[in-house]
Amino acid sequence: EDKVVQSPLSLVVHEGDTVTLNCSYEVTNFRSLLWYKQEKKAPTFLFMLTSSGIEKKSGRLSSILDKKELFSILNITATQTGDSAVYLCAVFTGAGSYQLTFGKGTKLSVIP
Amino acid sequence: SQTIHQWPATLVQPVGSPLSLECTVEGTSNPNLYWYRQAAGRGLQLLFYSVGIGQISSEVPQNLSASRPQDRQFILSSKKLLLSDSGFYLCAWSVGGHQQYFGPGTRLTVT
Repeated sequence: EDKVVQSPLSLVVHEGDTVTLNCSYEVTNFRSLLWYKQEKKAPTFLFMLTSSGIEKKSGRLSSILDKKELFSILNITATQTGDSAVYLCAVFTGAGSYQLTFGKGTKLSVIP
Repeated sequence: SQTIHQWPATLVQPVGSPLSLECTVEGTSNPNLYWYRQAAGRGLQLLFYSVGIGQISSEVPQNLSASRPQDRQFILSSKKLLLSDSGFYLCAWSVGGHQQYFGPGTRLTVT
């Protein structure tokens, strides 16, 4: 059974801190890993990673994938209160079912 | 641009009552469509997906069903709700790639 594990489950930081969120996976037929940000409603897409060692960056957020060690990290620098959200990691295996397997998420709270 | 709609946004239903949640997508053709449920403390769980009209695949056995009567319409139903059906229901779509785009969700409380 495909499995995606995120850590920590929750995290509280102060504005300006840098955080690292972790995602490890055990799946058959890995195709890609995706990060989403979920505030109160729909998850919004952040990054999709398919190759090891290539960093994806968007503003203060960045992510990298290690396909040998089967994990990804999401970094957020200079955190702001608007970064408070649940961050979801998902893996796409493309094994005919088109489904994403999601982790339980990391709840990040940024306090002023 | 593509948009996805879900309604209602919130719903409170008694145990044993029927359910119908609707999802529509605009601005794209032949999308793959998905229903997920997110229960408190758990990750997103895929319930159903569809690759075309009338084609439904179920990932988790339960008292829910799905239908796709039109290319960009996806419906989640139940004949008799259980307490365990409470949760946040998300519809999503994708076309040709790995990235899925989510609708605003329906928060269902079964009392």
